[in-house]
Amino acid sequence: GAGVSQSPSNKVTEKGKDVELRCDPISGHTALYWYRQSLGQGLEFLIYFQGNSAPDKSGLPSDRFSAERTGGSVSTLTIQRTQQEDSAVYLCASSPGRYYEQYFGPGTRLTVT
Amino acid sequence: QKEVEQDPGPLSVPEGAIVSLNCTYSNSAFQYFMWYRQYSRKGPELLMYTYSSGNKEDGRFTAQVDKSSKYISLFIRDSQPSDSATYLCAMSEDSGYALNFGKGTSLLVTP
Repeated sequence: GAGVSQSPSNKVTEKGKDVELRCDPISGHTALYWYRQSLGQGLEFLIYFQGNSAPDKSGLPSDRFSAERTGGSVSTLTIQRTQQEDSAVYLCASSPGRYYEQYFGPGTRLTVT
Repeated sequence: QKEVEQDPGPLSVPEGAIVSLNCTYSNSAFQYFMWYRQYSRKGPELLMYTYSSGNKEDGRFTAQVDKSSKYISLFIRDSQPSDSATYLCAMSEDSGYALNFGKGTSLLVTP
C-alpha cells in the first residue's frame, strides 16, 4: 500500500522567507508526527497529532515553527522567517495508534541560504 | 549527556559477516526499543521493535534488550551489500509517543 508521502522533496529558500512542508500520512493512521534530522544529529521530535486532540507542540524549537493537521489527515509544517540553522531534513511519520510503530516518509530536505 | 548514545561508525564488514550494532541509554523508563534502517536520502524504515527485556528474531535480524545494563543490540547474520545503510536505534517510554533516537551507525558491507 501507499506509504507516507511528503512534498516537496527538496526546498531551497532564502533566509527570512516562509516555507510550508506537506505530509500525507498512511490512510487510516490516526497519529502523525514531525521530526527534524540535522547533519550529525539524531532525529529530533517536533510535534505530535492524535485524532482530534490538541497537538503536542513541546518539541517545536521556536515560535517561528507551527503545524496543523486538517481533517485528521494531511499535515503542514510552516517555518516563518527561516534561518540558516533551520536547514535540515524534515521527516513526517504516521502510526496506527501504537506509538512505537511509526512509519516515516522520505523527508523534505530544506536548505536556507 | 544525550539519553541515547550510539557509535556513529562507520563500520565496514565483508559480505557474510555477523554484524553487531549497539546503543546505550540513560532513561530507565524506556520500555519500547526500535531499530530503524535508513538508506541515503531516504526516510527511516522500521525493522523491529521489542518491548522490555529479551530477544526478538526476524529472519537475519535479532534484537536484544538488556534493561539491567541499559544496553540494546541488533545482530545481522549473513550480511549482504544491500544491508549497507545507517542503522538508528530509538526508544520510548510506556505511553511515550515521541521517539528518542540515537545518531545512527553507518554500516558498509563489502562484496
